[in-house]
Amino acid sequence: TQLLEQSPQFLSIQEGENLTVYCNSSSVFSSLQWYRQEPGEGPVLLVTVVTGGEVKKLKRLTFQFGDARKDSSLHITAAQPGDTGLYLCAVNMEYGNKLVFGAGTILRVKS
Amino acid sequence: DTAVSQTPKYLVTQMGNDKSIKCEQNLGHDTMYWYKQDSKKFLKIMFSYNNKELIINETVPNRFSPKSPDKAHLNLHINSLELGDSAVYFCASSQVGVQPQHFGDGTRLSIL
Repeated sequence: TQLLEQSPQFLSIQEGENLTVYCNSSSVFSSLQWYRQEPGEGPVLLVTVVTGGEVKKLKRLTFQFGDARKDSSLHITAAQPGDTGLYLCAVNMEYGNKLVFGAGTILRVKS
Repeated sequence: DTAVSQTPKYLVTQMGNDKSIKCEQNLGHDTMYWYKQDSKKFLKIMFSYNNKELIINETVPNRFSPKSPDKAHLNLHINSLELGDSAVYFCASSQVGVQPQHFGDGTRLSIL
């Protein structure tokens, strides 16, 4: 059983559609991070959420941390082909700054 | 300027060979990491070093030996390569403590 469960695994949508991806756990975390990874590149940090119920916006991306700090969601409004990539949630286990990742959501936005 | 750079980007080799991957960061960070991403895109930490000292060794086979000559470099040497070692290996760095990590673009290792 993985610490972080991401859903869906794959998502293929048309340009302009909205979507939400989820990151769930039965554990409580002090913070949670979202990364985007494009083909042939390394993951790039998008946001860190630290407070239960927190909502952060990054242009068309909205990130939410659950009230109980066990889960998070990423909502993309009016998806663009440039949003295509692998979206990973991760938590920091603090000792050694060790990141534990979810299995990721592969998003494809078709024009 | 590339912040975290890895070489080579692609490595194709035969089973049983020994190979190394190099990583350098110019961000002035004290901590460096190696991660392995498998064919299903699952990313898992292997090692972390803080100022040349090993901090995390995540039950990786001892065929894998990280070496940090200075805090800006962390190399990964792999002995007796096996088919299951085929993956993309990522180097990352951060400031010490619970800090954002910056990743390189990965080295795709393929074992024939």
